[in-house]
Amino acid sequence: AQKVTQAQTEISVVEKEDVTLDCVYETRDTTYYLFWYKQPPSGELVFLIRRNSFDEQNEISGRYSWNFQKSTSSFNFTITASQVVDSAVYFCALSDNNNDMRFGAGTRLTVKP
Amino acid sequence: DTAVSQTPKYLVTQMGNDKSIKCEQNLGHDTMYWYKQDSKKFLKIMFSYNNKELIINETVPNRFSPKSPDKAHLNLHINSLELGDSAVYFCASSQIHGPQHFGDGTRLSIL
Repeated sequence: AQKVTQAQTEISVVEKEDVTLDCVYETRDTTYYLFWYKQPPSGELVFLIRRNSFDEQNEISGRYSWNFQKSTSSFNFTITASQVVDSAVYFCALSDNNNDMRFGAGTRLTVKP
Repeated sequence: DTAVSQTPKYLVTQMGNDKSIKCEQNLGHDTMYWYKQDSKKFLKIMFSYNNKELIINETVPNRFSPKSPDKAHLNLHINSLELGDSAVYFCASSQIHGPQHFGDGTRLSIL
């Protein structure tokens, strides 16, 4: 069975600090897909990134970067120079070959001015 | 031109009532989903439909019944509502293995 663990329930940082959100997953599939979503206080779920299991290349998008390591079954998310608008709940998710998506419990990030 | 729209946005009703939440997507996706998000923000998949066919049916009470009249619509009907059904329900759609696009959620409150 698939499982996604986000061990950090809540993180609080001061603006301009860098912060890393951890995600560890479990699956028996060789083909799978990893995602990060953001849920701001307004409540909508916003897609951030998708990675397939064959692409371990790290990705950077502006202040956001993702580190995918199959050896440790981790897909961590780093925000550089955090801003107040980054305050949200962030979800890591794993989808198997049957498109069955499982979400982690989420990490609530608070960025203080 | 909202991609995934669900109605109503808020639903306040009494215990024991029956209610429906509608969902429509105009993205041309083959797969649609229903999720329940509880007060602790935990997001749990309930159902998944691919081209109107039920693919995933998690352990939810059979008071919850999804209905997909066509691949652009996936409605959720709930019978005999209970206090524990209070939550935010999200509809989503995707192409196979693609990112899921979510509706804005329906906040269901049971009095």
